[in-house]
Amino acid sequence: GQNIDQPTEMTATEGAIVQINCTYQTSGFNGLFWYQQHAGEAPTFLSYNVLDGLEEKGRFSSFLSRSKGYSYLLLKELQMKDSASYLCAVIDSNYQLIWGAGTKLIIKP
Amino acid sequence: DTAVSQTPKYLVTQMGNDKSIKCEQNLGHDTMYWYKQDSKKFLKIMFSYNNKELIINETVPNRFSPKSPDKAHLNLHINSLELGDSAVYFCASSQDRGGVFTDTQYFGPGTRLTVL
Repeated sequence: GQNIDQPTEMTATEGAIVQINCTYQTSGFNGLFWYQQHAGEAPTFLSYNVLDGLEEKGRFSSFLSRSKGYSYLLLKELQMKDSASYLCAVIDSNYQLIWGAGTKLIIKP
Repeated sequence: DTAVSQTPKYLVTQMGNDKSIKCEQNLGHDTMYWYKQDSKKFLKIMFSYNNKELIINETVPNRFSPKSPDKAHLNLHINSLELGDSAVYFCASSQDRGGVFTDTQYFGPGTRLTVL
């Protein structure tokens, strides 16, 4: 079966750095998305990785290792507004999108 | 300008009723989706339409019927509502064609359905 694993919940301190991991076992791979979802709101796009390596976009970076079936989202200089759920989604070999259950990130002052 | 809009934002109704949720996108995208997000926050795809044509129909009770009058609209009609239908329903769109997922999806604000 196809599976995406993320931690259910993480806690971090304002101003710190946090890394949210995502591991996947899917039938093939054609890309990986990270979305952010604030409570009661819609998911919004953060990043897309299809090649190995680190993609940096301001305070957020996303890393991919296809050989390990692994990605992480790195958030720097955490702000209270970063408290949200972070969803990992993988495009499989049939170009279907498989969603993880999301990681709830709690930021404390 | 709202890229993907849904109405209503909140819907409270009794068991057994029939209700509809409307979705419109002004992004010029070819593909639209309906997702259900349950209390555990897991996002589960229900349907996908590409240019008014049904592409994905996951295992969803046939009480749920999507309708796409044109590629900018995808409405969801639910018959004989049950308690288990209570969830947040998200509409989304992308430039993907023919059920091939490669592009970013843009989500509507969601419709919180509560069945009493």
